[in-house]
Amino acid sequence: GAGVSQSPSNKVTEKGKDVELRCDPISGHTALYWYRQSLGQGLEFLIYFQGNSAPDKSGLPSDRFSAERTGGSVSTLTIQRTQQEDSAVYLCASSLGKGLGGLQQYFGPGTRLTVT
Amino acid sequence: AQKVTQAQTEISVVEKEDVTLDCVYETRDTTYYLFWYKQPPSGELVFLIRRNSFDEQNEISGRYSWNFQKSTSSFNFTITASQVVDSAVYFCALSEEAKAAGNKLTFGGGTRVLVKP
Repeated sequence: GAGVSQSPSNKVTEKGKDVELRCDPISGHTALYWYRQSLGQGLEFLIYFQGNSAPDKSGLPSDRFSAERTGGSVSTLTIQRTQQEDSAVYLCASSLGKGLGGLQQYFGPGTRLTVT
Repeated sequence: AQKVTQAQTEISVVEKEDVTLDCVYETRDTTYYLFWYKQPPSGELVFLIRRNSFDEQNEISGRYSWNFQKSTSSFNFTITASQVVDSAVYFCALSEEAKAAGNKLTFGGGTRVLVKP
């Protein structure tokens, strides 16, 4: 079956521009996570969705970062006024939700963002 | 706060050698889950194993084995008779019992394994 997909796979943008990164989770997965992988910070949690709600946004690094999820499916991570330190690979993962089934997170291939 | 430490940043071995990756974790929870993920050069994170805090049994899966010791807060991973295809970055991760924050993962810094033919 289809796994988690992310688009675009690569994005190069100029400093100060806004970008949108998209994640399509596995069908039926109610939980969705965004992580960021950068050289300096390693792999770090950004935000968690259960359905369309985001109970935990604690990992978002600044108010330039926001995310939404619609229809309990697709999620978009938006970075406004991008900075060079935003350059990283943004990973999305989904899972069945809470309980033991929610422990297994399936990761997408990531979006590599480069801010010039 | 939870924390995962992988002290080895890179390990280089020759094919057929065994390699052990160290993972030490910190958490205040009594119920938690530990994971290992593999990230090959293609970049996608591949799940390898999950253990819960109540199950300290070691596990073997083919050439992979895991040693979980609560007394030392460690969850080490051994690849026996390594192969070139094992070359990847390996991440250890921790998830606390599902709360409002779901099952978010805290990752270690990763260990890059290079297996030379």
